[in-house]
Amino acid sequence: AQRVTQPEKLLSVFKGAPVELKCNYSYSGSPELFWYVQYSRQRLQLLLRHISRESIKGFTADLNKGETSFHLKKPFAQEEDSAMYYCALYPAAGNKLTFGGGTRVLVKP
Amino acid sequence: EPEVTQTPSHQVTQMGQEVILRCVPISNHLYFYWYRQILGQKVEFLVSFYNNEISEKSEIFDDQFSVERPDGSNFTLKIRSTKLEDSAMYFCASEGRAGTAFYEQYFGPGTRLTVT
Repeated sequence: AQRVTQPEKLLSVFKGAPVELKCNYSYSGSPELFWYVQYSRQRLQLLLRHISRESIKGFTADLNKGETSFHLKKPFAQEEDSAMYYCALYPAAGNKLTFGGGTRVLVKP
Repeated sequence: EPEVTQTPSHQVTQMGQEVILRCVPISNHLYFYWYRQILGQKVEFLVSFYNNEISEKSEIFDDQFSVERPDGSNFTLKIRSTKLEDSAMYFCASEGRAGTAFYEQYFGPGTRLTVT
């Protein structure tokens, strides 16, 4: 069975400080990992996926297969980064996304 | 940019009543999904739909639930006899799957279902 764990429900940081959101997964095969973001009163939207190895809005995430982790990082948080962040796993077989519980990020001025 | 739309944004219904939640996926997409999120809990997969049939469903998706794509544009989720525990935010998503192994699911804004 596939499982995604986000241990922090809330992360509060000051503007300009680094922020790291933790994500661990459990899956027997080779999954695709995603980070989705939900800004206040907006829909879930894809932030980044591990296969593209891109940086979006200053965020990066590295897939560590040994530790089964896909932590999201940003070196300098901005107030507009305040949102709910969800880590999600897409299996090699099948097509359902499995979400973590989400981490609320609050960036204080 | 094309978006997934959902109606209504909020539905209040009495226990035992039938509800239909509507979604208009992005027009050239091939895969369609319903997810739900009970307040304070995870976003959970309900069902996926491809080529006019269910391709995968979760344990939550029992006989009380059904999905349909009646006219080639709308994608609906019906709950036949709602229970209090069906109260949740229901998200529709669509995906193009244009020949790549993994693709992006685009989410609608959600329908908040309140069962009283």
